[in-house]
Amino acid sequence: GQSLEQPSEVTAVEGAIVQINCTYQTSGFYGLSWYQQHDGGAPTFLSYNALDGLEETGRFSSFLSRSDSYGYLLLQELQMKDSASYFCAVGDHTGFQKLVFGTGTRLLVSP
Amino acid sequence: DVKVTQSSRYLVKRTGEKVFLECVQDMDHENMFWYRQDPGLGLRLIYFSYDVKMKEKGDIPEGYSVSREKKERFSLILESASTNQTSMYLCASSQGTNSYEQYFGPGTRLTVT
Repeated sequence: GQSLEQPSEVTAVEGAIVQINCTYQTSGFYGLSWYQQHDGGAPTFLSYNALDGLEETGRFSSFLSRSDSYGYLLLQELQMKDSASYFCAVGDHTGFQKLVFGTGTRLLVSP
Repeated sequence: DVKVTQSSRYLVKRTGEKVFLECVQDMDHENMFWYRQDPGLGLRLIYFSYDVKMKEKGDIPEGYSVSREKKERFSLILESASTNQTSMYLCASSQGTNSYEQYFGPGTRLTVT
């Protein structure tokens, strides 16, 4: 089966850079996804890494190392609106895009 | 933009009632999913469907069933609601087999008393 581990909470100040780590154990691997969820809102897709390396999308970047079963989400130039929960998720081996989600990291950005 | 809608934002039901949660997506996606979200447990998959009338159990299917009679609609059914099914229920959809990007609805906060 699959299991993912990520910190429960991270705090940072506006303008700073924060890294949210995710380690996973899977019986098959089809990539690592990241989702953002604001309180009371729906999860929204941020990024997907199928291959090793860094993917950059604006202020957000996501990194994957398949050999280390490890990835991270990097948020730069933090803004108050980045306060949210962030979930990593791995694709299931069945190929039907079934995702297994981590328990989420709550990011608190302070002024 | 993909839109996933859920029939209710908040729902209160009594123990033993039959509960229907409806989800509709407007982007012709093949795959649809039902999750429940509880504090500290993340999102857990209840059931998913990859085609009309097709369904697969997720990680926590006990106490639930689903129905997909039309491509755009995926229903979650609690045959006899129990208090431990009080939770946030999230529906999602996705396209094809080459993307792990799922689109989520706003969720239904179900309380069973």
